[in-house]
Amino acid sequence: EIVMTQSPATLSVSPGERATLSCRASQSVSKDLAWYQQKPGQAPRLVISGASTRATGFPARFSGSGSGTEFTLTISSLQSEDVAVYYCQQFNNWPLTFGGGTKVEI
Amino acid sequence: QVQLLESGGGVVQPGRSLRLSCAASGFTFNTYGMQWVRQAPGKGLEWVAVIWFDGGNEYYADSVRGRFTISRDNSKNTLYLQMSSLRAEDTAVYYCARSLASYGLGSGLDSWGQGTLVTVSS
Repeated sequence: EIVMTQSPATLSVSPGERATLSCRASQSVSKDLAWYQQKPGQAPRLVISGASTRATGFPARFSGSGSGTEFTLTISSLQSEDVAVYYCQQFNNWPLTFGGGTKVEI
Repeated sequence: QVQLLESGGGVVQPGRSLRLSCAASGFTFNTYGMQWVRQAPGKGLEWVAVIWFDGGNEYYADSVRGRFTISRDNSKNTLYLQMSSLRAEDTAVYYCARSLASYGLGSGLDSWGQGTLVTVSS
């Protein structure tokens, strides 16, 4: 099983500042990685697929990068509505696995 | 618009069975792979199972293999999760989600239901 490790567990960022979230895979997953946003009491929403393709409805301040074992989700200018828990998920091998999440707060 | 509506959750005793349903609308159901993902109270996301667009293949998390069965009825636009031999650790909100791919590993889950809560307790 591929283990996905996210860091930090909690990220505190001032409004307008950059937020950088990390996701590391225990073995290479190529670019088979997605990011999700989950706000309190809501279902997750797809933010990024294929490591860097932004999903419909997410503004350009969200970007994904990386390949192999190291991935990054960047929110270039944090807005209050971006407060949420963010999860990564690998799609390279069964079973599909999620990281433990990063909570982004203001 | 895409809608996924789960149902069937509730309180069930350990060792008993429960079937979840997910009614899909707003898209051509029989062309998408579908998955179940769960979230224990206050915890992170855990992938549970996937079924290909035609029901031709299924994969499961180790934690549920042999106890849970994913299935679909494309004539009814409905996804199912049959859960048996339930344990306390199966307590979670269960989400159905649409895969970006019809089959295979896929590349993301682009639509999610609101979830249904399953509580396993005596």
